[in-house]
Amino acid sequence: AQKITQTQPGMFVQEKEAVTLDCTYDTSDQSYGLFWYKQPSSGEMIFLIYQGSYDEQNATEGRYSLNFQKARKSANLVISASQLGDSAMYFCAMREGNDMRFGAGTRLTVKP
Amino acid sequence: GAGVSQTPSNKVTEKGKYVELRCDPISGHTALYWYRQSLGQGPEFLIYFQGTGAADDSGLPNDRFFAVRPEGSVSTLKIQRTERGDSAVYLCASSFVGLAGGPPLEEQFFGPGTRLTVL
Repeated sequence: AQKITQTQPGMFVQEKEAVTLDCTYDTSDQSYGLFWYKQPSSGEMIFLIYQGSYDEQNATEGRYSLNFQKARKSANLVISASQLGDSAMYFCAMREGNDMRFGAGTRLTVKP
Repeated sequence: GAGVSQTPSNKVTEKGKYVELRCDPISGHTALYWYRQSLGQGPEFLIYFQGTGAADDSGLPNDRFFAVRPEGSVSTLKIQRTERGDSAVYLCASSFVGLAGGPPLEEQFFGPGTRLTVL
């Protein structure tokens, strides 16, 4: 069964505007972690932000924030003030126990 | 450098051959992970090491795949009798602590990957 769902294969955003990338997850565990990674065309996976299942506050890291809605099992990534360098694939991931499950990704394109 | 390194960066082999992919984690990281990323998809978990032992190998697709980490740092992913469907980017990641049963907190640092092509 699909554990992580990213429903947006591709997204476009105008430079300097904000964009939300959707992520929903499925788990019966109480303790889990949610991550977002960026993968530019070079192929490296770059960690962006983390949210623990017990964290009550939404995580923020610079221009990245995670809109965590536990009851809905969603962990959307918000990128504010988009930059051209934000164009990349974005993966949502969930860790339960030892392994990490990734979604299929969303390709974000920032338009000048 | 201080990051995770993987060698080779590219590997082209023929169907039926044996390949080894190497991962050098960040020094001091006890946890090491292998993932496989096929074109247009997210990384798929293969195996997780805590120290020298494979704590979870549930993601290995079949018995042609095997991984070792004999001294608790460098790891080698071994694929026997390669098939065309094995073609993918193999990613390695490491983290400082990988706690089984504990709260999953630590960030995983990824290497650049090895692109395997099986002809």
